[in-house]
Amino acid sequence: QQQVKQSPQSLIVQKGGISIINCAYENTAFDYFPWYQQFPGKGPALLIAIRPDVSEKKEGRFTISFNKSAKQFSLHIMDSQPGDSATYFCAASKDRGGSNYKLTFGKGTLLTVNP
Amino acid sequence: DAGVTQSPTHLIKTRGQQVTLRCSPISGHKSVSWYQQVLGQGPQFIFQYYEKEERGRGNFPDRFSARQFPNYSSELNVNALLLGDSALYLCASSFSGELFFGEGSRLTVL
Repeated sequence: QQQVKQSPQSLIVQKGGISIINCAYENTAFDYFPWYQQFPGKGPALLIAIRPDVSEKKEGRFTISFNKSAKQFSLHIMDSQPGDSATYFCAASKDRGGSNYKLTFGKGTLLTVNP
Repeated sequence: DAGVTQSPTHLIKTRGQQVTLRCSPISGHKSVSWYQQVLGQGPQFIFQYYEKEERGRGNFPDRFSARQFPNYSSELNVNALLLGDSALYLCASSFSGELFFGEGSRLTVL
């Protein structure tokens, strides 16, 4: 059972455009939703994360939108740059005493930003 | 600041062999987690340790085992390797609820 579904599988965007990646989850107990960026040959790096008490969180060019009733969240990358080309993973976990040890990941989205 | 360090970075084994992967967490982090990332997929949770105790285990067979040492470093052991164990094995450390990943150990089983 795939608990976090991510789409699209791949995405091509022109430089300066907006990249949008969507995720849907099934487990209503999830209450921590991070996004990770992974370059080839590297480990995933935390980009931005949100908890369900807010509907949106912005950090620089990266924004998470969260819809608790629909059990969906998305990553928006504004003014996309070629350096943003990477694989992006959404994830979710159930907070256990303030420490989110077990992340359930989506399958990833390969983003290509053309110059 | 040193991040999560893993060794070895690459290794090749044959079916039936055993492998040990090592991880040093970020200084001050007491929790270590292990994930398996098969090519083209998201990471899958294997184990989580905190203060040398196992706090969680994913859906992996008993061939997979791990431990955490007093200095919070960790080892992941996989016995009786199968072709399907070929993957990137990621270690992550955590302090305040955020996971920080190392660059992984790429295991190829022939």
